[in-house]
This record gives sequence, structure tokens and C-alpha cells, in this order.
Amino acid sequence: QSVLTQPPSVSGAPGQRVTISCTGSSSNIGAVYDVHWYQQLPGTAPKLLIYAKNNRPSGVPDRFSGSKSGTSASLAITGLQAEDEADYYCQSYDSSLSGVVFGGGTKLTVL
Amino acid sequence: QVQLVESGGGLVKPGGSLRLSCAASGFTFSDYYMSWIRQAPGKGLEWVSYISGSGSTINYADSVKGRFTISRDNAKHSLYLQMNSLRAEDTAIYYCARALYSGYDYWFDPWGQGTLVTVSS
Repeated sequence: QSVLTQPPSVSGAPGQRVTISCTGSSSNIGAVYDVHWYQQLPGTAPKLLIYAKNNRPSGVPDRFSGSKSGTSASLAITGLQAEDEADYYCQSYDSSLSGVVFGGGTKLTVL
Repeated sequence: QVQLVESGGGLVKPGGSLRLSCAASGFTFSDYYMSWIRQAPGKGLEWVSYISGSGSTINYADSVKGRFTISRDNAKHSLYLQMNSLRAEDTAIYYCARALYSGYDYWFDPWGQGTLVTVSS
């Protein structure tokens, strides 16, 4: 059971907008800690997608955006493309555990 | 470009030991925290440990505390994970990642390709 809760799966048609939620608590997302997002394409290592709420590393399209409110965060993907089909993970820090925590991951299917 | 290459994975019996290595290049290794993160087959990501650039700050997940030891050799641009008393539940791909730190937070970029550790009799 992950400290951060994500839906196991989401789906959308090409061109649509999808969101992936990440729910935490007052000791992680609801505290001073930011939320970061990773994309893991099939058979590859995870790649940083969004860091510190809504910053994108060089090369990540602006179709990807992040937000945080209270004890939850969201990743939004607009203009969905076939190559976006992947697993997505949120990550934060937890003061009660004194360590880094990940969400359980969400599998995005492009219909 | 920044590159991380893990090695040292393999098959080990329960109770055994293994030492993973991660060779870093393309950045000033000693300036950065580094971390190990693992992924059991078909499962999600689990943070294992991180170490500061000087090696003075170290942290472990409760699941590995007392059994795993993280270390680094800045002269060799290398990160290590000594894993003792291995259990079946330690079976996973182990990723090395550069950790970026902002005072309250850590995030990871980039990640290596991973090395598979299988604990089985």
C-alpha cells in the first residue's frame, strides 16, 4: 500500500485531455513538500516529467502540467498522443516517515 | 551528457549479499545527492536510500534499514549499495538516480537503466 494514492488506470482518446490524481496527507503533499511526476514507458527506466509542482525539464512538452491543492496533486496531459501511453508516478517527501514516497503508479492507455 | 550505468545485479540466495555499483559521468558527481530506487517485477517504484555529495547525510527506507548500506567514491564517480541479509521481497530492478535537492524536497533526474536483483533459492 503506497503512501501516495493514484488511480490504477486512466484512458483517453488521441487529442483529449486526461488528469491523473495523487492523494496524500498532511505529512507529505499537505505539508511544505512539493510533488514530482515521472513517466515510465514500457521496458524503460522512469523519466522526470514535472518537478516542484509545475516545472518541466528541458525536452518535456508543455502538454504536460502539474498542480497541487491541499493534500492532493494532479498531472494533466492535453492533446493526448499515442506515445504518451505509459505508467505515471507521483513522488513527494513524508515527514512522518522521514523519507521519499512514491504513488502506486497509473497506467495511461491511449484509446 | 549525464549518464548513470548500474552493474552488479544477479541471482542470490536468501540471506546472501550483493554489492551494486553505479558509474556516473557528464556532471560534477561530488556536487550531487545520489539515490537508489527499486521496482519489483510488475510493481511500482520504491525509494531505497540517498546519500549527500560529501557522504555526510544518508537516509534509508525502513524496509532496508540495518541490511543495506549506501556509499560513494567521489574520486571514482561511483555510487554503491551493499545489500546484506537479502530476502525474496528484495527482488527488483534497482535504479541509480541523481537526486536534486531544494531544502525540503528531493526529486530524481536522470535515472540509470537499472540492474536486476533476484533473491531465490
